[in-house]
Formats: sequence, structure tokens, C-alpha cells
Amino acid sequence: QKEVEQDPGPLSVPEGAIVSLNCTYSNSAFQYFMWYRQYSRKGPELLMYTYSSGNKEDGRFTAQVDKSSKYISLFIRDSQPSDSATYLCAMSGYVYNTDKLIFGTGTRLQVFP
Amino acid sequence: DSGVTQTPKHLITATGQRVTLRCSPRSGDLSVYWYQQSLDQGLQFLIQYYNGEERAKGNILERFSAQQFPDLHSELNLSSLELGDSALYFCASSVAETEETQYFGPGTRLLVL
Repeated sequence: QKEVEQDPGPLSVPEGAIVSLNCTYSNSAFQYFMWYRQYSRKGPELLMYTYSSGNKEDGRFTAQVDKSSKYISLFIRDSQPSDSATYLCAMSGYVYNTDKLIFGTGTRLQVFP
Repeated sequence: DSGVTQTPKHLITATGQRVTLRCSPRSGDLSVYWYQQSLDQGLQFLIQYYNGEERAKGNILERFSAQQFPDLHSELNLSSLELGDSALYFCASSVAETEETQYFGPGTRLLVL
């Protein structure tokens, strides 16, 4: 079993839809949770960063962490074609004597006009 | 633009050869991380350097090595290349030794023929 599981998609939605992206994980020691957006042939770009459980909102993006269920989500409201990208969840917790990030494999999102 | 630069953007080489990938972190960042991204494995942490010293190792092969120089730029050396080494190689940087928010460069796409 992988430490971080993420549905690879692809997920195809119409413009304006609410998108829900999710990851589950197995290591309860993870404390920091991140979402990265990666456009084709580009490096990952940090979107959201959350410490421990709870919600965080930034514009059209909301990140949720439920540590009791070992489940994190990213919601995108009023999705736009420019949101079409691969979304990677990542987490860390200094569990391996390093703050290396453990990534999910990414969910490919396509928003069509 | 994350502020992290990587060269070259593309590299095509043959099996058995050796290549060097270069990374310059964001101004002020002391930590450099190297990741490998392949289609079947996702983003895998290779190695971290902090202020010139190796900080942590991940799934880095013995044929691979890295270093961080006094000016904080880093190089990843890949030797005895195999077809399976074809992948995207990303460098990321962060301010501190333990810092969860990492900023990624645009990557180097390596193709081994």
C-alpha cells in the first residue's frame, strides 16, 4: 500500500463546476499537508498549505484536512479552463528525520468551456 | 515563476553515459531538494542539501550523486545511465533546514536512448 493514495483521474468537468480532489494517507505522523498544481511540462506550483486538521480558504480554493480519517481534500469553486492541470497532494511531518515531501501520484483535471 | 532555475531544460543521451543537472535555488533559500518524476512512480524524493551539507536521502540510486556548492547552487550527477532513468528531474528549494513549503523549478527532462 502506498503511503499516499490519490485517484489519477482524469476528471473532466464543465466550466463553473465545483471540483473535489482527494487524497488518503496511512501515516498518522503527517502534520503538514499541501496541494500543488502542475501544468503540462512545468514544475509543481504550491497552491495550498495546511498544518494539522481544519480548513483553509484562498480565493476559489479550499483545503480540508481530516486527520482522524487520514483524508485531505481540495475544493475548487467556479472552475475555469485555466484550472486544467494535474493536482498533486503532498504531506510531511518530519517522520523520517527530514521534511521530505511524500507526494500522491496526482489527479489530472480538465475543465472544458 | 518560482525563482528556482534549472538547466538544461532538455537532455538526450545514450545508455551508459553520464550527465549533470544544475539547479539554482531562490535567493535566500538554503535548502535544495532533488526529485524524480516518472509516469509510473510520480514524484519521488531523491536527496536534500542544506547550506552545503547533505541533509537527507530518499530513493536515490548509487549511480546518482549530488552536491551543493558554497554559492548554494546544486548539481545532480547521473552516471551509467539506463533507459529507466528517463524522467523529469525537479529541483526545489526552501528557506530553512526543515521547511515544508518548497518551491519547484521548471525541471530537466532527461531522455536516455
